[in-house]
Amino acid sequence: DIQMTQSPSSLSASVGDRITITCRASQSISNYLNWYQHKPGKAPKLLIYASSYLQGGVSSRFSGSGSGTDFTLTIGSLQPEDFATYSCQQTYISPWTFGQGTKVDI
Amino acid sequence: HLQLQESGPGLVKPSETLSLTCTVSGGSFNNLTYYWAWVRQPPGKGLEWIGSLYSSGNTYYNPSLKSRVTISADTSKNQFYLILNSVTAADTAVYFCASGNPVRNWLDPWGQGTLVTVSA
Repeated sequence: DIQMTQSPSSLSASVGDRITITCRASQSISNYLNWYQHKPGKAPKLLIYASSYLQGGVSSRFSGSGSGTDFTLTIGSLQPEDFATYSCQQTYISPWTFGQGTKVDI
Repeated sequence: HLQLQESGPGLVKPSETLSLTCTVSGGSFNNLTYYWAWVRQPPGKGLEWIGSLYSSGNTYYNPSLKSRVTISADTSKNQFYLILNSVTAADTAVYFCASGNPVRNWLDPWGQGTLVTVSA
């Protein structure tokens, strides 16, 4: 299976901060990389697909980049509703695998 | 707008069978532009893809669970199902159902999840 490693595992930030989360794949996955936001008791939400494409309805303060093995999710200016856990997912080779998650809190 | 909602027992005994239902609303269940999937998240751990069911009837499972899992659907009820046999405490998790893109396999939307605890 392809292992997905996120860093950091958690981070503390303030409203208005710019933050970057990194996801590294154990082998090349081209751009088959998706990012999700999830909060306890709520449905996870697709933010970014194919590494850099913003899902419809998602704020433009979210952006993604990368190809091969190294990927990043950037939140340009943290808003109160952005405090959540973010997970990357590879869909290059089955079984699809996720990173362990990055918890963003205040 | 497609919506998904999981339902099922919150407590299952070890060695027994976990059965969950995902009810789909707001869209055509047989729409070829998406497929149906189950994902779980054990406490304190990352998300784990369990398996997927396509409109063709084909199913694909995570090899780590393949011997114990079945995903099926009842199109007349707009529902699909997860059955996981011979559960242990390691199967305790929040279980999510989701809709998948059949070309690039991202998952969207998801249900809000249901916690299943395996305990005697």
